[in-house]
Amino acid sequence: DAKTTQPTSMDCAEGRAANLPCNHSTISGNEYVYWYRQIHSQGPQYIIHGLKNNETNEMASLIITEDRKSSTLILPHATLRDTAVYYCIVRDQGGGAQKLVFGQGTRLTINP
Amino acid sequence: GAVVSQHPSRVICKSGTSVKIECRSLDFQATTMFWYRQFPKQSLMLMATSNEGSKATYEQGVEKDKFLINHASLTLSTLTVTSAHPEDSSFYICSARSLGGSGTEAFFGQGTRLTVV
Repeated sequence: DAKTTQPTSMDCAEGRAANLPCNHSTISGNEYVYWYRQIHSQGPQYIIHGLKNNETNEMASLIITEDRKSSTLILPHATLRDTAVYYCIVRDQGGGAQKLVFGQGTRLTINP
Repeated sequence: GAVVSQHPSRVICKSGTSVKIECRSLDFQATTMFWYRQFPKQSLMLMATSNEGSKATYEQGVEKDKFLINHASLTLSTLTVTSAHPEDSSFYICSARSLGGSGTEAFFGQGTRLTVV
């Protein structure tokens, strides 16, 4: 079962920052937070991941709370092409098959 | 990011026939690949973990004799849907993990849409 909770859907205006929340209250100390997105009829695309520090790359920023029980993915200047389903996943880095278990995700719609 | 390629992207087959889907890691070696299935308006469901040189590990409820997985090399895993039926029509997606940086990101293929008629 997925270990995360996300809102089912969100809307954001083009050019504004899109902030997608994720709750992972049962996260353990060695589990990372991963974000992927899936544009319609394509395979998921990796966005970003982090353990406890905030992370930023060319696509997005990831803000993780100090207690690590929640995080927020930020798309700083959303475009129409950012419309997709966004998945927040927690995964242990060590041992096992390290499989990714997907929840239902957040369907983000960017409006013109 | 690393590139994972799936082939074919779309396939239509007759009921009762078998279909093979290939998943290749193009610029890295992958000892482990994963196969997912996705029905319309639903999330990805993990079917099995494919391990190079050994038997695949199937998730509960997935029939191993129906969904044959072979991971013969470090860059290729195949999923064969045997005796396909219309209810097997779905979007099949593979992923492979690339080692890098502080974590291990998984990269996904573009998916294969299977339609069984």
